[in-house]
Amino acid sequence: KAGVTQTPRYLIKTRGQQVTLSCSPISGHRSVSWYQQTPGQGLQFLFEYFSETQRNKGNFPGRFSGRQFSNSRSEMNVSTLELGDSALYLCASSWVTGGSYEQYFGPGTRLTVT
Amino acid sequence: TQLLEQSPQFLSIQEGENLTVYCNSSSVFSSLQWYRQEPGEGPVLLVTVVTGGEVKKLKRLTFQFGDARKDSSLHITAAQPGDTGLYLCAVSGNTPLVFGKGTRLSVIA
Repeated sequence: KAGVTQTPRYLIKTRGQQVTLSCSPISGHRSVSWYQQTPGQGLQFLFEYFSETQRNKGNFPGRFSGRQFSNSRSEMNVSTLELGDSALYLCASSWVTGGSYEQYFGPGTRLTVT
Repeated sequence: TQLLEQSPQFLSIQEGENLTVYCNSSSVFSSLQWYRQEPGEGPVLLVTVVTGGEVKKLKRLTFQFGDARKDSSLHITAAQPGDTGLYLCAVSGNTPLVFGKGTRLSVIA
């Protein structure tokens, strides 16, 4: 069974631009969560989507947004990029939401903002 | 928000040595997960512990969940270069996963 895929794997953007990252979950998984990973803050939760609805949202500014499509694929968008947005963005999928469920992570998109 | 403290932050050891890394919180865990993340990859779930005092073994890895469910440890016996990576603990349950900052382990051949 194919794992979680994320595109693109690497991205370089300039301050002020916007970016869209894509995540395709494992087939049959309906929950997709997004995380930001930086050396200083570690892995921080951005948001979770389940059946096209945002279920949870982390403590990030409104410049960070996301959506999920009917096929469970998800995108996240960051507008007006700042240098501090440079990070590894990970998505994870699971069968269900809530509880001690197992999440399967993709390899991430490495975003560099210059 | 539950904070998780992982220690040590960095660990470099020789192949064949044993090691223990720790995950602590001031709050009670509902359940705890351990992940390993290798360079260029996302975290991979190693184990989930849910019961205070629980011990789980995965080949050379032994995971313990404290009796009070506020701490956990991961012990690796006879470490190998393939164990190199970032070890993360995370609180799971009815909220989104909350991760510690991890222990970066380097095993030198």
